[in-house]
Amino acid sequence: SAVISQKPSRDICQRGTSLTIQCQVDSQVTMMFWYRQQPGQSLTLIATANQGSEATYESGFVIDKFPISRPNLTFSTLTVSNMSPEDSSIYLCSVEDSPGGGPNTEAFFGQGTRLTVV
Amino acid sequence: RKEVEQDPGPFNVPEGATVAFNCTYSNSASQSFFWYRQDCRKEPKLLMSVYSSGNEDGRFTAQLNRASQYISLLIRDSKLSDSATYLCVVRRGGSYIPTFGRGTSLIVHP
Repeated sequence: SAVISQKPSRDICQRGTSLTIQCQVDSQVTMMFWYRQQPGQSLTLIATANQGSEATYESGFVIDKFPISRPNLTFSTLTVSNMSPEDSSIYLCSVEDSPGGGPNTEAFFGQGTRLTVV
Repeated sequence: RKEVEQDPGPFNVPEGATVAFNCTYSNSASQSFFWYRQDCRKEPKLLMSVYSSGNEDGRFTAQLNRASQYISLLIRDSKLSDSATYLCVVRRGGSYIPTFGRGTSLIVHP
């Protein structure tokens, strides 16, 4: 299993500002994932954070808006840039329990960051 | 059509009731299936994997129907503590990235 510490747990931010969310894992993991979950919706993958290389973004998400850092195998940050009210959501980081990934791995999540943009 | 679809509910049942959720998936190459539970304002956590032959864990039974491309979760003898959102999760063959349904809300009342 993996224990993930995610912070902040919540924040209220002014539009036009940026917020950086941090995730710390208690073990080394190859890949970390960043999700967004809007009210009543499923988790939507934003990007995969790769250690030593650029993050891989899903369709509809771009690096300028959601820059990601992955300085080592236990830590990652997601920044929500130039925020607007539409960015209000829950942001979750996630890791898998198997070094190479694979179809039967379990996903573990941080506690989530509840972001409100006013 | 969404890749993973669930009835959002809410399902409102009394304690002790039996309740079943279904989930359909569109990609026939999907190979791995799971149910996750998400409590209000909490992160999702694995409830159980779903195996081809069906599997049971206490009061929870999961079934997979590949021909019709759906999975189900049956909860027997519902407890108040079962109130949560249940997320259907599917992984395609060869893909490490799970696809989540939007979840089905369950409310168990006294």
